[in-house]
Amino acid sequence: DAGVIQSPRHEVTEMGQEVTLRCKPISGHDYLFWYRQTMMRGLELLIYFNNNVPIDDSGMPEDRFSAKMPNASFSTLKIQPSEPRDSAVYFCASSLPGQGDGYTFGSGTRLTVV
Amino acid sequence: TQLLEQSPQFLSIQEGENLTVYCNSSSVFSSLQWYRQEPGEGPVLLVTVVTGGEVKKLKRLTFQFGDARKDSSLHITAAQPGDTGLYLCAGGKAGTASKLTFGTGTRLQVTL
Repeated sequence: DAGVIQSPRHEVTEMGQEVTLRCKPISGHDYLFWYRQTMMRGLELLIYFNNNVPIDDSGMPEDRFSAKMPNASFSTLKIQPSEPRDSAVYFCASSLPGQGDGYTFGSGTRLTVV
Repeated sequence: TQLLEQSPQFLSIQEGENLTVYCNSSSVFSSLQWYRQEPGEGPVLLVTVVTGGEVKKLKRLTFQFGDARKDSSLHITAAQPGDTGLYLCAGGKAGTASKLTFGTGTRLQVTL
């Protein structure tokens, strides 16, 4: 398996533009997580899905952020409109049920909003 | 609110030295995991501990879960430059399926 695949690796966009981040989880993993990482706040959970259904979106900063998982092999995180304070590294991770096996993270998308 | 506090935040040591990183919480966790993250990559799982007092060894790394399952430590013996990275602990609670809470992180630099 190629692991969790995220695209793009880097994204630079202007304030006000729409940004879409993409994730392909590991086949067979029932859980998918979106995290944001910054130096100030560390790794923050934004939202997670179980079997394509959103379970907890309490970490989504505001209505400008939305996430979808239309099928077991694809998820998107969208920011519209983007703002400079959204600049961060966004990670997608997937896992099997339970906590023992841990998460497999993607390589992340570094977003810069200017 | 960060439920898992790690210390120290930053650590710079020379090759061959020993070090310990701590992960503390006021909450009880059913499992505790340690991850290492290298620049430009996502965190990678090192170990999972589930029993209070459990000790696991991974080559030069020793992980311990506190008796009360509220804290954990990571000890590295004879550190090498390849150990450089961000170390993150993550706690899971019973009844929350796969959801983990990540710690604040310890950034380790090992120099020659």
